[in-house]
Parts: sequence; structure tokens; C-alpha cells
Amino acid sequence: GDSVTQMEGPVTLSEEAFLTINCTYTATGYPSLFWYVQYPGEGLQLLLKATKADDKGSNKGFEATYRKETTSFHLEKGSVQVSDSAVYFCAAHGDYKLSFGAGTTVTVRA
Amino acid sequence: DTAVSQTPKYLVTQMGNDKSIKCEQNLGHDTMYWYKQDSKKFLKIMFSYNNKELIINETVPNRFSPKSPDKAHLNLHINSLELGDSAVYFCASSQVGSGTRHTVNIQYFGAGTRLSVL
Repeated sequence: GDSVTQMEGPVTLSEEAFLTINCTYTATGYPSLFWYVQYPGEGLQLLLKATKADDKGSNKGFEATYRKETTSFHLEKGSVQVSDSAVYFCAAHGDYKLSFGAGTTVTVRA
Repeated sequence: DTAVSQTPKYLVTQMGNDKSIKCEQNLGHDTMYWYKQDSKKFLKIMFSYNNKELIINETVPNRFSPKSPDKAHLNLHINSLELGDSAVYFCASSQVGSGTRHTVNIQYFGAGTRLSVL
């Protein structure tokens, strides 16, 4: 089945720092790829998505590009804020279900 | 209006008890899910229903039984609760059902139910 591997955390950054969270996937075929974010005490919500190779998903200053050659979908943000503190999940939907990575906890300090 | 709502938000109970968690979505979606999130934030799918029919049943103990009275509701009943059942349980829904390739499956999550078994 499909699987997703993402960078282990926790990650602690200062405000305005650059954030990268690595994500790679294993799937037969070409899955749709997602980043979900979970703020403290809340459920997951979609941050961005990409459905085919070379697509770039973007939202709230975050970006990720679907790289078929490296089977990757790394999340980046150029200047993080305290409000970006959350758990970030990479996910792939290619098989019959959505497969999530283990989640990366990000803490941004003022 | 909350799109996916689940109750209760917190549930504290003794080992051996039976409990239920309810979930309702008002998005008009056809597919609903239950996930379990452990203390390390790892998220694992348990069940998925499409139009009241079970389509995903991962390796979950028989003590867990989902029930979908209609496509807007998916409840989770747990018998004989064990310490290891302590976790946060999330309900989710999507317009596009699982079981289909090459479709964009965007899932909408509830706020979670934190279950503590003592």
C-alpha cells in the first residue's frame, strides 16, 4: 500500500525563520498529495494540495511542489510566525485511502 | 455552523466500560471516517463509510463497532474499554469516497474526542 515518510520533529524556530519539512511518498501510480495542519486542541485541516507532477500547492505563505522524480512533496515557508506553531501532516491518496505521515511538531518562538 | 461535529469532546471512563462517540457532518458528503491519534500524534484510519456502507475496515479490534444510521452520521461504539484505547479519536468526511483512484480526496475533520481510560 501507499506510505508517507516525513521529517521527524520537533522543530523549534524563531519568528521570521525559514521552515522546511521534508516529505516523501511510496505509491503505485500517481497519488494526490496533501499537507494538513493541526493547531493545538483542534482537528486537522487542509493546508494545501497538489494532484499531479510539478503542481505547486500554496496557502498562507506555505508552498509545496509535487516532485515525481524524487517522490517528494516538501513543505516550505519563507518567514514563519508564532501562529504557525502546529503539527503538520503530509498525506497521499493514491490507493483506496488517505495515508498520513507521522506528523511534525513545529514551535515558533517570538 | 460546525461542518463536522463530534461529541463528547472529552470522555473519561473506567476500564471495562462501554462508550460511544457520535459524529455528524452537515457538508452533504457521502463518505465519513474514524481515525485514532495516539500520544505521539500518529494518525491511523480505523473505518470508512460511503453512503452508510462500510468500505474501509482496518485492523481494529472487534470491540470497536461503527454505525452509520444515515450518510450524515457515523458513530463509534467501543465495548470493554482497555487502557490502550486512550487516544484522541477524530471523525472526518469527504465528498469523494475512498476506493477511487485519481480523485482528490479532501477530508474535513472534527475537533476530536479525547478518550481517557483509567
